[in-house]
Amino acid sequence: GQNIDQPTEMTATEGAIVQINCTYQTSGFNGLFWYQQHAGEAPTFLSYNVLDGLEEKGRFSSFLSRSKGYSYLLLKELQMKDSASYLCAVRPDTGNQFYFGTGTSLTVIP
Amino acid sequence: EAQVTQNPRYLITVTGKKLTVTCSQNMNHEYMSWYRQDPGLGLRQIYYSMNVEVTDKGDVPEGYKVSRKEKRNFPLILESPSPNQTSLYFCASSLRDYDTDTQYFGPGTRLTVL
Repeated sequence: GQNIDQPTEMTATEGAIVQINCTYQTSGFNGLFWYQQHAGEAPTFLSYNVLDGLEEKGRFSSFLSRSKGYSYLLLKELQMKDSASYLCAVRPDTGNQFYFGTGTSLTVIP
Repeated sequence: EAQVTQNPRYLITVTGKKLTVTCSQNMNHEYMSWYRQDPGLGLRQIYYSMNVEVTDKGDVPEGYKVSRKEKRNFPLILESPSPNQTSLYFCASSLRDYDTDTQYFGPGTRLTVL
């Protein structure tokens, strides 16, 4: 089966940096995605990694290590609006299905 | 405006009464998918479709049907709903560009089966 693990909850201070980890064990690998989901809303795409290394997009960066089955999402200069759930999703090598972790609920405090 | 729409947004029904949740996208995407989201379980894929007339089971297909007769529409059918299908449902679509394959999600349908 597929197994994707993320911490359930995290709290961080406005202006700080937070790292949300995701580990996965899947039957093959063809891409890892991070989505943001505010309460009561639909998930929205943040980042995509298919090769090892860091992808940077403004205040958000995502890192992937395929040999370790590990990714993290780094959020810098935290803002109150960053309070949301962050979902890690993996596309195994069949390429047609997606498997999501249970999400990490991030609370940003003043 | 590029979007994925779902209807209805909220539905309360009773066990055994057939229902359909519609999903439509205006981005000419080949790939469409249905997910359900439950507390503690995250998003789980129900069915997906690679293109018109091509559908396949996801992780939790039992009790659901889908059809893809047109590229833009991908309805989810519950022939005989049961209380364990009470959930938040999301439809999503993507271009199937392997460089990114970003999925765009609809606003969600909150279903309660009594």
